[in-house]
Amino acid sequence: EVQLLESGGNLVQPGGSLRLSCAASGFTFNIYGMSWVRQTPGRGLEWVSGISGSNGNMYYANSVKGRFTISRDNSKNTLYLQMNSLRAEDTALYYCAKATYNSGWPWYFDLWGRGTLVTVSS
Amino acid sequence: DIQMTQSPSSVSASVGDSVTITCRASQGIGSWLAWYQQKPGKAPKLLIYAESSLQSGAPSRFSGSGSGTDFTLNISSLQPEDFATYYCQQANSYPLAFGGGTKVEI
Repeated sequence: EVQLLESGGNLVQPGGSLRLSCAASGFTFNIYGMSWVRQTPGRGLEWVSGISGSNGNMYYANSVKGRFTISRDNSKNTLYLQMNSLRAEDTALYYCAKATYNSGWPWYFDLWGRGTLVTVSS
Repeated sequence: DIQMTQSPSSVSASVGDSVTITCRASQGIGSWLAWYQQKPGKAPKLLIYAESSLQSGAPSRFSGSGSGTDFTLNISSLQPEDFATYYCQQANSYPLAFGGGTKVEI
């Protein structure tokens, strides 16, 4: 079955760190661009970060640049998001999403996971 | 950064109606635009990409048009399963951006 399964969401204090994982199955993971997209009731859908399948280039939203790091382990068919210096405004449901194309660009997302919840609060 | 503005934010319609949702980009994005459908408690689902290309498995009553800065999603003959929230997304330049969403209600 073609699917993405996120994990790693949790309650964390402001300034803390968390690593999200996304396990892919049912498709050739290493050739596709992948992204993280988050959603909150107040801010809707927000693209967070993306990584190309063809050359591993990484891209970030301004709001997370310097704090979050996207990576992938093609041998494990897994996407990661290392989140440091977390803030209350990072609280959201984080989705892993597969891009339609191997370079990523143009970034259309044709497969999504169910999401993992990150709550940043003291 | 490119901002995506959708209108209306919500629309009430009946089964069988036709609905049009508008998405405006703050600068030109060519035809690099996607539309997604999201139902409560579920992840978004790709409906339209490259402004007017229907994603595999999406019903043909969904259609997209436009280019540059102004785009529309049309749903002809609304079905009960179409009541959901719809988002546009620019796929051209970083940071990628989504519109604020349009809720189609009964």
